[in-house]
Amino acid sequence: GENVEQHPSTLSVQEGDSAVIKCTYSDSASNYFPWYKQELGKRPQLIIDIRSNVGEKKDQRIAVTLNKTAKHFSLHITETQPEDSAVYFCAASYNYGQNFVFGPGTRLSVLP
Amino acid sequence: DTEVTQTPKHLVMGMTNKKSLKCEQHMGHRAMYWYKQKAKKPPELMFVYSYEKLSINESVPSRFSPECPNSSLLNLHLHALQPEDSALYLCASSQGSRGADTQYFGPGTRLTVL
Repeated sequence: GENVEQHPSTLSVQEGDSAVIKCTYSDSASNYFPWYKQELGKRPQLIIDIRSNVGEKKDQRIAVTLNKTAKHFSLHITETQPEDSAVYFCAASYNYGQNFVFGPGTRLSVLP
Repeated sequence: DTEVTQTPKHLVMGMTNKKSLKCEQHMGHRAMYWYKQKAKKPPELMFVYSYEKLSINESVPSRFSPECPNSSLLNLHLHALQPEDSALYLCASSQGSRGADTQYFGPGTRLTVL
């Protein structure tokens, strides 16, 4: 089955700096890679996703890159703000999303 | 309606009780999911329903029994749970077709088993 690793497990940055979180996956059949943000006590919320036929995707301050050959993908957040503080989960899936495996999560703290 | 809703928000039950969690979506999604999330851990997939049929059961103990009465509703029936089953139970839905696999999560039910 699919296995997703995520690094770092915790990340502290100064407000305005960039943050990068990296994930690797094991199953070459995986073709969809979403990123979720989860604030304390709240539901996971999709912030960006990428499919295997695309190498990079950007949405304002957030970008995701995918290297299919190396089986890794990364989340980039620029100009971080205190409200970006949360736990971020990457995931990998195939079979129309039914086989959905999350990484262990990264706790991001943005210090004012 | 672009949300997944779940009831109740909180549930406390004894090990001999029978209770049910409910999930509802009106986005026309045909795939629905139950996840279990323990503190400081990622969501773990429990069950997947695709077009109202159970398509994935991730070796979940029989004290958890899912039900999908129609394409908008998903229930999780609980019976004879153990204290280690205390967790946040999340429901999610997706369109369920190729290229439309984005999952949208409900707010969860926080379950405490005494």
